[in-house]
Amino acid sequence: DTAVSQTPKYLVTQMGNDKSIKCEQNLGHDTMYWYKQDSKKFLKIMFSYNNKELIINETVPNRFSPKSPDKAHLNLHINSLELGDSAVYFCASSQERTSRPTNEKLFFGSGTQLSVL
Amino acid sequence: AQKITQTQPGMFVQEKEAVTLDCTYDTSDQSYGLFWYKQPSSGEMIFLIYQGSYDEQNATEGRYSLNFQKARKSANLVISASQLGDSAMYFCAMREVSNYQLIWGAGTKLIIKP
Repeated sequence: DTAVSQTPKYLVTQMGNDKSIKCEQNLGHDTMYWYKQDSKKFLKIMFSYNNKELIINETVPNRFSPKSPDKAHLNLHINSLELGDSAVYFCASSQERTSRPTNEKLFFGSGTQLSVL
Repeated sequence: AQKITQTQPGMFVQEKEAVTLDCTYDTSDQSYGLFWYKQPSSGEMIFLIYQGSYDEQNATEGRYSLNFQKARKSANLVISASQLGDSAMYFCAMREVSNYQLIWGAGTKLIIKP
């Protein structure tokens, strides 16, 4: 019944490895996001997809590659992990209608705590 | 310039007291929305309350209310009768109709003391 689910919840890995985080939403939303939350709790948007199309791609190293096989899924693949990638990564979704009402809230997954050793 | 400013990095409040968490924003849009989210130590982000720029009444949701002062561009969250479970990070965010991305503040860490 979870609206936005992401796996895994914890990910501990060595520098240089490649890893993926998966996200699925069952809310029927058109738009999905990846956010990074650093150790100071600041939330930074990384990517946004609308109906499988990339619409926001903030200044993120190209080691990070989002993939959206369908509008209910947005996965994040990270190549050559670095120490500075350690953070909590949140997936989120919203229903962003063409009328663009300002009250569209984000629904978040529970986060993936990534620790790079 | 910061679009969303939360000036209180941390706050300690005695249980059962009311709490006001500050949020000021900067926009030239006439139409925008303001959100508050709670992040407890377990990590999930929980939506609390929303205020639209055209809403004439301050939003309320249970013990949460939003003190919206449009001319001052502030949207403070008020928690009445605080409880230990209110200890968490609180984030203010804004959605402008022109930009449409949610813009986040840096958060306030609230600790409720027994």
